[in-house]
Amino acid sequence: DAGVTQSPTHLIKTRGQHVTLRCSPISGHKSVSWYQQVLGQGPQFIFQYYEKEERGRGNFPDRFSARQFPNYSSELNVNALLLGDSALYLCASSSALGLESYGYTFGSGTRLTVV
Amino acid sequence: GQNIDQPTEMTATEGAIVQINCTYQTSGFNGLFWYQQHAGEAPTFLSYNVLDGLEEKGRFSSFLSRSKGYSYLLLKELQMKDSASYLCAVRAGANNLFFGTGTRLTVIP
Repeated sequence: DAGVTQSPTHLIKTRGQHVTLRCSPISGHKSVSWYQQVLGQGPQFIFQYYEKEERGRGNFPDRFSARQFPNYSSELNVNALLLGDSALYLCASSSALGLESYGYTFGSGTRLTVV
Repeated sequence: GQNIDQPTEMTATEGAIVQINCTYQTSGFNGLFWYQQHAGEAPTFLSYNVLDGLEEKGRFSSFLSRSKGYSYLLLKELQMKDSASYLCAVRAGANNLFFGTGTRLTVIP
């Protein structure tokens, strides 16, 4: 059974460009959350989607947006990239709203470098 | 908002016991998680506490005191492979997960 899959694994972009990151949750999971992890820090919450609706948003600018598709996969979009957006972007899935005792299952992440 | 604090770095000896503390201030608390993260890899689930007390799972134990906003992760019989970052995370608000900065543990021979 496949875990949480994210693509691409690595990405290099130039300042001002936009980027789309993709995530497929574990089969049967309906909730996807996105996190940004800067080197040496813990993951910072960006968005949570459940049943294609936004259920939570962290303290990130409007340049960050996301959506969830009918098959529960998700995309994270970042516009007007800044050097400070360089980070590991993690996707996590859960079967409901993360109410299970095991929380969320994380993908391996997309390493974004902005130059 | 959520405020979660844990030490930045710790060092311990192989075979020893280490305790990693986490304090939190949050609204709508609904559980505390510990994750392990090796460099360049995804966080993996270690433990979950929602009620006060100790949860034991093999070499790993986690404790929670909700009244004190305090948790710790206890690792026994340390092995070299336990060198990793340990992330304390609080589920709060609309059941979102909020992480501390992580504690980087180095196990030395």
